[in-house]
Amino acid sequence: DTAVSQTPKYLVTQMGNDKSIKCEQNLGHDTMYWYKQDSKKFLKIMFSYNNKELIINETVPNRFSPKSPDKAHLNLHINSLELGDSAVYFCASSQAGGRSYEQYFGPGTRLTVT
Amino acid sequence: DQQVKQNSPSLSVQEGRISILNCDYTNSMFDYFLWYKKYPAEGPTFLISISSIKDKNEDGRFTVFLNKSAKHLSLHIVPSQPGDSAVYFCAASPLARQLTFGSGTQLTVLP
Repeated sequence: DTAVSQTPKYLVTQMGNDKSIKCEQNLGHDTMYWYKQDSKKFLKIMFSYNNKELIINETVPNRFSPKSPDKAHLNLHINSLELGDSAVYFCASSQAGGRSYEQYFGPGTRLTVT
Repeated sequence: DQQVKQNSPSLSVQEGRISILNCDYTNSMFDYFLWYKKYPAEGPTFLISISSIKDKNEDGRFTVFLNKSAKHLSLHIVPSQPGDSAVYFCAASPLARQLTFGSGTQLTVLP
């Protein structure tokens, strides 16, 4: 069974479009994250949700909006896509408390904006 | 502003020998350090961690060393195996919350 799953795995779209990436975890974790891996391969935190509440919101354009319908899901919606949004986006989850740094990652979604 | 740096983008090692991956950090508030391993087309997977109150943590073939005064940590893999070929990310966290990742080192273990 997949612990953290993301759909789609690949997403090719044109500038100006709106798209969503879905994430689900079946680990019973209560904290979920979105990361962006840019062209320089750095993994950078974008958002963190704990029990459906936003707890980390790094400096990302407000075109990016996370949505958490329940603690097992954290979706990423992107409006008015730009060329610079092309990257690999990873969803992750962790348990609260002392082991919260042990994050479990999904397989990633490669977004290409043309 | 790169708070976690992995200055070697790649490393090749012969099977059976030791692999040493290095990581430097600048933020004194980091108190937890982790290594993640990533295969192509997969997400990173947690490998090993160390708290700032320790200088060594061992798990099977993997050992992480922390030198706080030098703000440096390293991952030793002994003996290296071809299945260890992957990208290794160093990460650091203040108060076990937000992770800051390095840019990764591609390890290739040659048979």
